[in-house]
Amino acid sequence: AQSVTQLDSQVPVFEEAPVELRCNYSSSVSVYLFWYVQYPNQGLQLLLKYLSGSTLVESINGFEAEFNKSQTSFHLRKPSVHISDTAEYFCAVNSWSEGAQKLVFGQGTRLTINP
Amino acid sequence: SQTIHQWPATLVQPVGSPLSLECTVEGTSNPNLYWYRQAAGRGLQLLFYSVGIGQISSEVPQNLSASRPQDRQFILSSKKLLLSDSGFYLCAWSHGQMYEQYFGPGTRLTVT
Repeated sequence: AQSVTQLDSQVPVFEEAPVELRCNYSSSVSVYLFWYVQYPNQGLQLLLKYLSGSTLVESINGFEAEFNKSQTSFHLRKPSVHISDTAEYFCAVNSWSEGAQKLVFGQGTRLTINP
Repeated sequence: SQTIHQWPATLVQPVGSPLSLECTVEGTSNPNLYWYRQAAGRGLQLLFYSVGIGQISSEVPQNLSASRPQDRQFILSSKKLLLSDSGFYLCAWSHGQMYEQYFGPGTRLTVT
């Protein structure tokens, strides 16, 4: 079965500093990877996804993630964070079982931006 | 465009009372539908999913049940709530060859 490990439960950084949120997944023949963001008391929003093609994928608000097959990783990065990036971030991998597509989520990383 | 609604947004219920949470999707047909629970400070746990009307699969044994009476409606229920049922309940949908899921705004349930 697929699994996802987010290596850091909390990441505090200063505003305008770079950040990396780490995600590792269990190996599979074909894998599709996602990052979701959750602001307080809200649902999850899809931030970016890797399905195929270029291993570097970008979001509209400056985040990027790189699919690394040899290291089974999909780390999320941003070169300069803003206060508004404070949120919980979830990494997810697809899983197919019992005739349905599912997502397996990591435990989440709480990103806190300090002024 | 597609939208997903959940209600109520918040709910406080006593132990032993019944529960009904509703999720509806607009702008698509025959979606796959999912119920997740998010306990405080923890990740997401998939509770139920449905690939069509009347088709419900349960991921974990529990005090809850789900139903899909219409194509774009997904209901989460319980006959008698337990304290451990407290949490943030999220509904999500996907479609066809899509791998990603899109989430509703969630319902915060507190069982007292």
